[in-house]
Amino acid sequence: NAGVTQTPKFRVLKTGQSMTLLCAQDMNHEYMYWYRQDPGMGLRLIHYSVGEGTTAKGEVPDGYNVSRLKKQNFLLGLESAAPSQTSVYFCASRDYDEKLFFGSGTQLSVL
Amino acid sequence: AQKITQTQPGMFVQEKEAVTLDCTYDTSDPSYGLFWYKQPSSGEMIFLIYQGSYDQQNATEGRYSLNFQKARKSANLVISASQLGDSAMYFCAMRSFITGNTPLVFGKGTRLSVIA
Repeated sequence: NAGVTQTPKFRVLKTGQSMTLLCAQDMNHEYMYWYRQDPGMGLRLIHYSVGEGTTAKGEVPDGYNVSRLKKQNFLLGLESAAPSQTSVYFCASRDYDEKLFFGSGTQLSVL
Repeated sequence: AQKITQTQPGMFVQEKEAVTLDCTYDTSDPSYGLFWYKQPSSGEMIFLIYQGSYDQQNATEGRYSLNFQKARKSANLVISASQLGDSAMYFCAMRSFITGNTPLVFGKGTRLSVIA
């Protein structure tokens, strides 16, 4: 009963390095989302996908790219990490039911 | 555009008392949903309760109820008989149903501390 799985859980990067965060869901959900959470800012939407092969920009997309090559996976990429991207990243998914299922989060620090 | 406002950065409540966490929203869409999530110190996001804009009655889930006042555009969360385990961040969120693709928009959250 995995639900939404995010990997890795923690990561430390140096400025300019790249990395990919993986989100996998086993509920056959159509919609998937990447949010970032910063103190006092709540959750802000980075990118989202409404189905396999689709992606769309959210509120704070700059510096990130995403891909949804398979329905169950939604990848978030940082091509050249910056200290401003230090945050906790959450992946979430839903089907046509309204409830959003969240992963456990990825704590990313960019030095 | 949709917007969620939570005006209480932090709240304290005595154990076993009831507490209301405020949430106001802004949307011009007639059909939408309102959600509350809890985030304990462990970090996971836990779904608590949902209210649809056309629902006639206020939603309830155990000790949680949503005080939905459509004309005022408010969706306050009421927690009855507070427990120490209720200490957490609480987020209000909404989604427009005009299109199926609209993502969930979150407020900035309220940190609730339950005192023994």
